[in-house]
Amino acid sequence: KAGVTQTPRYLIKTRGQQVTLSCSPISGHRSVSWYQQTPGQGLQFLFEYFSETQRNKGNFPGRFSGRQFSNSRSEMNVSTLELGDSALYLCATPPGNTGELFFGEGSRLTVL
Amino acid sequence: EDQVTQSPEALRLQEGESSSLNCSYTVSGLRGLFWYRKDPGKGPEFLFTLYSAGEEKEKERLKATLTKKESFLHITAPKPEDSATYLCAVQARFGGSGNTGKLIFGQGTTLQVKP
Repeated sequence: KAGVTQTPRYLIKTRGQQVTLSCSPISGHRSVSWYQQTPGQGLQFLFEYFSETQRNKGNFPGRFSGRQFSNSRSEMNVSTLELGDSALYLCATPPGNTGELFFGEGSRLTVL
Repeated sequence: EDQVTQSPEALRLQEGESSSLNCSYTVSGLRGLFWYRKDPGKGPEFLFTLYSAGEEKEKERLKATLTKKESFLHITAPKPEDSATYLCAVQARFGGSGNTGKLIFGQGTTLQVKP
């Protein structure tokens, strides 16, 4: 893949806990998008950050939040975890100005 | 509301048996339509971008086409290694640059190719 790194790859949490996931985009790129993939809903857009500012937001509750640092690394946080938050969380960055996104391998979150 | 619908949900083919996957879309100003391949537990792998009706792109056994309402991914003489979920996504125009990291994905078509 084109240099998008996500950590951790796998994690298990219990209901009510919170979790923080990290994404390092392609070097030098300022845009980072986050997606949630579940079997029932498919891939859904969470939010996008560009130069440390949230540029776009999907239809998720306020428990889902994110931020971006000056080095373009991004984190997303989910508070008060629910069973339904179990999913593959994907981070993506555009390699250029042609619109497509390159995705990382994802962080698999299991909520028990 | 921007929406993407893919059909069929699942497709089983014999090796060498050509077929097509469909992606119907509605979007308020199409910036681009994208095809991705997704293997279990991995991130989507970019395949093609199509920008305007009539455009076609090819890569090995895959060919993507676009009309004003739908896109097709044609698979010619598939091999077992082509087994995966194929995702279609659209990007709506956003702001002056037209670029955004927000894609609307379809549910995907899971393709199984048997030897």
